[in-house]
Amino acid sequence: DAKTTQPPSMDCAEGRAANLPCNHSTISGNEYVYWYRQIHSQGPQYIIHGLKNNETNEMASLIITEDRKSSTLILPHATLRDTAVYYCIVRLDLISGNTPLVFGKGTRLSVIA
Amino acid sequence: DAGITQSPRHKVTETGTPVTLRCHQTENHRYMYWYRQDPGHGLRLIHYSYGVKDTDKGEVSDGYSVSRSKTEDFLLTLESATSSQTSVYFCAIRGWGNYGYTFGSGTRLTVV
Repeated sequence: DAKTTQPPSMDCAEGRAANLPCNHSTISGNEYVYWYRQIHSQGPQYIIHGLKNNETNEMASLIITEDRKSSTLILPHATLRDTAVYYCIVRLDLISGNTPLVFGKGTRLSVIA
Repeated sequence: DAGITQSPRHKVTETGTPVTLRCHQTENHRYMYWYRQDPGHGLRLIHYSYGVKDTDKGEVSDGYSVSRSKTEDFLLTLESATSSQTSVYFCAIRGWGNYGYTFGSGTRLTVV
């Protein structure tokens, strides 16, 4: 799996958009970008994933650059409950295979009232 | 949460004793994983399973064994617990396709 680089911490004002960057300059063409978050003491929670197109779901948006070397997770209106560690993970996704997720250190997002 | 439960939630045990943690799922998912989480190290993969009786090692498998005799249960055993195995243990499951993992609530294990 390609490695990722994330800032160790970020702050965001409540109600504003939180933009979490991730660099994955060695990503290969068939590797996906996954985002998870972990709220204190809980198990990680899947947020979103994508290959090359931008993706949006009820939790967040994922913007992947055209060269796929970086991506940004956007929480459009951050709340205090979004305070968590956010992990950007790049991995192959084989329909019939198994590539375990490898977690880095992530970005600790603090949403401030 | 989403058909995955871990037991026990908390356990204190003495050095040298055997310990078994259980992960139970009701989703009939093929893939199951055990991770441990420690301050400064993040989540690290211990073992995983891709089917009944099919398991493989992760990056920190020394001192741990696993068994999966039926789809719904994935057991993690510490044969002789050591203080370095004090940690929070998370189980995860995954179904087919490009789907995310679902994690359990964790087991906090303290070895004294």
